[in-house]
Amino acid sequence: DTGVSQDPRHKITKRGQNVTFRCDPISEHNRLYWYRQTLGQGPEFLTYFQNEAQLEKSRLLSDRFSAERPKGSFSTLEIQRTEQGDSAMYLCASSESRGRRTGELFFGEGSRLTVL
Amino acid sequence: AQTVTQSQPEMSVQEAETVTLSCTYDTSESNYYLFWYKQPPSRQMILVIRQEAYKQQNATENRFSVNFQKAAKSFSLKISDSQLGDTAMYFCAFMKNDYKLSFGAGTTVTVRA
Repeated sequence: DTGVSQDPRHKITKRGQNVTFRCDPISEHNRLYWYRQTLGQGPEFLTYFQNEAQLEKSRLLSDRFSAERPKGSFSTLEIQRTEQGDSAMYLCASSESRGRRTGELFFGEGSRLTVL
Repeated sequence: AQTVTQSQPEMSVQEAETVTLSCTYDTSESNYYLFWYKQPPSRQMILVIRQEAYKQQNATENRFSVNFQKAAKSFSLKISDSQLGDTAMYFCAFMKNDYKLSFGAGTTVTVRA
């Protein structure tokens, strides 16, 4: 079990550029989540997948944000036309949908985005 | 929407002593889960302890225990025999329908040697 991995760990970009983050969940987990965390705050829910289906999107996820999980394994989060307000840590998490540890989320180390 | 409130932005505790973190939440649900997560500096978030709302018994995990008061919608975390490695940000979190976590703003705990 290698845990949840995210790439890149850090991304610095100029305003208006597009960025993409990748998340590889724990292999047997069928649920995958994206959260956004700003400095000194708790994570805010962005979106959630059950296998390849995107089942919920937060209102925080504007039209510039898109997430995919094409084969029910890894996921990507793309931000188009980045703005300075997009600067944050983007966290990915995965979980089981049944069993004793249902509901427990396993987090990656996050991808930190800085928009200049 | 569920809200989770952590009223203590920062707490400091001497090594080997006990510290209690408070958390309140607001929900109309009867079945839900509550969690405490720990986020060490520059490290990933990990689960400390979880509580199912239908269980009256308070959860315990080694030096970590909770005081779950369902009627008061209160869920505090007690860290006993604090260790330097407990220094971290602690988040209280609420989950209904078994899939989406809502987090509080967090409490930064510093353990002093």
